[in-house]
Amino acid sequence: AQSVAQPEDQVNVAEGNPLTVKCTYSVSGNPYLFWYVQYPNRGLQFLLKYITGDNLVKGSYGFEAEFNKSQTSFHLKKPSALVSDSALYFCAVRRGGSSNTGKLIFGQGTTLQVKP
Amino acid sequence: ETGVTQTPRHLVMGMTNKKSLKCEQHLGHNAMYWYKQSAKKPLELMFVYSLEERVENNSVPSRFSPECPNSSHLFLHLHTLQPEDSALYLCASSRLGAGGLTGELFFGEGSRLTVL
Repeated sequence: AQSVAQPEDQVNVAEGNPLTVKCTYSVSGNPYLFWYVQYPNRGLQFLLKYITGDNLVKGSYGFEAEFNKSQTSFHLKKPSALVSDSALYFCAVRRGGSSNTGKLIFGQGTTLQVKP
Repeated sequence: ETGVTQTPRHLVMGMTNKKSLKCEQHLGHNAMYWYKQSAKKPLELMFVYSLEERVENNSVPSRFSPECPNSSHLFLHLHTLQPEDSALYLCASSRLGAGGLTGELFFGEGSRLTVL
């Protein structure tokens, strides 16, 4: 069965400091991994994805994530946090393969709070 | 603007009412989804439609009835709901190709449902 764990309910960081939001996953076969962000009273917005290739993927708004197969992790990072990055972040995983009709499993979300 | 529009944004209904949520995507996608987002819980996949055919139904109670008349529109018909059904209902779409689903989901802003 597929699962995603985001071990931190909330991450607090000062503006200008680097941030990391953690994600670990469990899936049979090759994983397709995604990060989404949700601002208050809004839908989810896609940030970045890993399908194959380079383990370091870059996405929107200066975010990046590193796929680590041995640790089954896909942590989200940004070198310098902005107050406007404060939001709810979701990691998601899908099992790869041609039979994949799109069942995307989400983590429970991590609230990122960036203080000025 | 994500190209996925949900109406209404807010809905309050009694337990005996019948109402519908509507989703429309302008992205040329061929797969559509309903997710339920409740406080303090991970996003729950409810239904998946691929090429207008329902391919996934995650043990959703029959008081929720989806309809996908064409690849651009998705409805969620609601009847005799319970207060615990109060949540944010998110619609999403994606492109499903020959290799399965590798692309990201595009979400609407959601419909906030309150059942009294």
